Amino acid sequence: KQEVTQIPAALSVPEGENLVLNCSFTDSAIYNLQWFRQDPGKGLTSLLLIQSSQREQTSGRLNASLDKSSGRSTLYIAASQPGDSATYLCAVRRLDSSYKLIFGSGTRLLVRP
Amino acid sequence: GAGVSQSPSNKVTEKGKDVELRCDPISGHTALYWYRQSLGQGLEFLIYFQGNSAPDKSGLPSDRFSAERTGGSVSTLTIQRTQQEDSAVYLCASSLGTGGVSLSQPQHFGDGTRLSIL
Repeated sequence: KQEVTQIPAALSVPEGENLVLNCSFTDSAIYNLQWFRQDPGKGLTSLLLIQSSQREQTSGRLNASLDKSSGRSTLYIAASQPGDSATYLCAVRRLDSSYKLIFGSGTRLLVRP
Repeated sequence: GAGVSQSPSNKVTEKGKDVELRCDPISGHTALYWYRQSLGQGLEFLIYFQGNSAPDKSGLPSDRFSAERTGGSVSTLTIQRTQQEDSAVYLCASSLGTGGVSLSQPQHFGDGTRLSIL
């Protein structure tokens, strides 16, 4: 059974700091991995999607890496801003044609001005 | 529309009543998903549609839950005889592609319906 874990559960940093969020999964047979952000009372905003054949994806100040063999992904946020404060979720899609995403429990990020 | 639209945004109802939740996916997206987000359970998959067919219903928690999709567009999730444990945020997502192609596409989510059962 695929399990997805995110560490830390919560993180508070001063503005301007670079930070790394971690995601680990137990079954390396994944099709892809997607990072989302969720603001309070809102839905999920897709940030980055990494296919299993890729090592990393970049969008602006965000960089996501994937090491499928070790079951790990990281989301790197450069020069953090208060507007980055949100919950960040990672989700994997299994390789066995199951179409659902399996989510971690998220990391709640607070960037202090 | 520009994004996935869900209605109502909030729903409060009494235990035992039936509720219908609506999802309008991004135009042209053939794949549609329902998820549920509750305290202590995280985000859980409910059902997947490709066009009007539902090849994966494995996440529906009981036979009180059903969903349909018409015209390859709007979907309705129905919960009959609601229970307090049904209280959660119900999220809808859509993506491009048909069949296996949809696997490689990102899922785009709506803002959800917050359901509260009194």
